[in-house]
Amino acid sequence: DAEITQSPRHKITETGRQVTLACHQTWNHNNMFWYRQDLGHGLRLIHYSYGVQDTNKGEVSDGYSVSRSNTEDLPLTLESAASSQTSVYFCASYRGRADTQYFGPGTRLTVL
Amino acid sequence: DAKTTQPNSMESNEEEPVHLPCNHSTISGTDYIHWYRQLPSQGPEYVIHGLTSNVNNRMASLAIAEDRKSSTLILHRATLRDAAVYYCITDSWGKLQFGAGTQVVVTP
Repeated sequence: DAEITQSPRHKITETGRQVTLACHQTWNHNNMFWYRQDLGHGLRLIHYSYGVQDTNKGEVSDGYSVSRSNTEDLPLTLESAASSQTSVYFCASYRGRADTQYFGPGTRLTVL
Repeated sequence: DAKTTQPNSMESNEEEPVHLPCNHSTISGTDYIHWYRQLPSQGPEYVIHGLTSNVNNRMASLAIAEDRKSSTLILHRATLRDAAVYYCITDSWGKLQFGAGTQVVVTP
């Protein structure tokens, strides 16, 4: 069965370190998204990609970057982790307009 | 991007219908309306979506106002497994705009 996976599931890091969160999907979807969810709130869009070599900034992109070198993967990099980036991060993918977005299980990141 | 407004929480008895309202008065004409739900420590799960017409699937029904400024998710017979946070979302070419969500509590 097709799926979307994230790794690691939990990560603790220190302020100032670079961190990369992995997202891998086997749906063969062109469209991939990264969201963050702070405790007690809805998800907010960080970055998204509509295909290989395409990346776009979302609502809360400062301090984050993504790259898309193949269809299956969209890694999210925190250039210099800050305590304000402590959150749960969700990756999602979907086939196209009006289709269902499939979400990964999330990565819980703690920045000390 | 269109913002959505939902009640913070709603309570229902098991096997009773649940009507979850959502206001999205700034939605654009091409944005879809999606509903997702989220259980603790899990990613959001798709429930239903629509553009202009009312929609039904095995999980729920979606009633969209004629002016598209509001919509209502209807869970026909709530079960304990339906207890979750339900998000009303506008979809602008895949960019989902989440609101704060409604916590649904189902009482046996």
